[in-house]
Amino acid sequence: EAGVTQFPSHSVIEKGQTVTLRCDPISGHDNLYWYRRVMGKEIKFLLHFVKESKQDESGMPNNRFLAERTGGTYSTLKVQPAELEDSGVYFCASSQDVLAGFYEQYFGPGTRLTVT
Amino acid sequence: QKEVEQNSGPLSVPEGAIASLNCTYSDRGSQSFFWYRQYSGKSPELIMFIYSNGDKEDGRFTAQLNKASQYVSLLIRDSQPSDSATYLCAVRGGTDSWGKLQFGAGTQVVVTP
Repeated sequence: EAGVTQFPSHSVIEKGQTVTLRCDPISGHDNLYWYRRVMGKEIKFLLHFVKESKQDESGMPNNRFLAERTGGTYSTLKVQPAELEDSGVYFCASSQDVLAGFYEQYFGPGTRLTVT
Repeated sequence: QKEVEQNSGPLSVPEGAIASLNCTYSDRGSQSFFWYRQYSGKSPELIMFIYSNGDKEDGRFTAQLNKASQYVSLLIRDSQPSDSATYLCAVRGGTDSWGKLQFGAGTQVVVTP
């Protein structure tokens, strides 16, 4: 079974540019999460999709971040315009049916974003 | 006060010994608890989860949960050099944010041959 995949693995952009990160969850996982780790800090929650719906977006830092999950499969996270403080590693995770008690989240390899 | 606290380490453990990692959390409504292992530059890898008070064993790993004390621990028996990594404690909240994991900063473990 393929794990969570993310693309790209690295991205270097200039301040003010736009970047789109993609996440493909484990097949059959309805729940998809985005997290971020900035240098020296712990991993922080950004948002949670259940299928195509945003269940919890309380961790999104501001309106420069837009997450979508059209069709309930893969998800994209767009940062527009990027700022220096957006640099970090963006992780995607997925889990099965949380309401059925499957709470375990499996993480992808992450996208390292550097804003210069 | 951080919501999930871990000692940052490094925790130096001789090969073959037991590594003991601790984690405390502030939200008394927390429901589920997870231990992830993260090698440098890699993604977090789920190694244990525990939902009920008591101990849960899986191979060389044992997770212990005490909800009354808001404390969860991980024991690694017969530590191997390959266990050298950062161990992240993650806590899933209650009904308000039932999918969100809150992570500690991680404890670095170094197993010395």
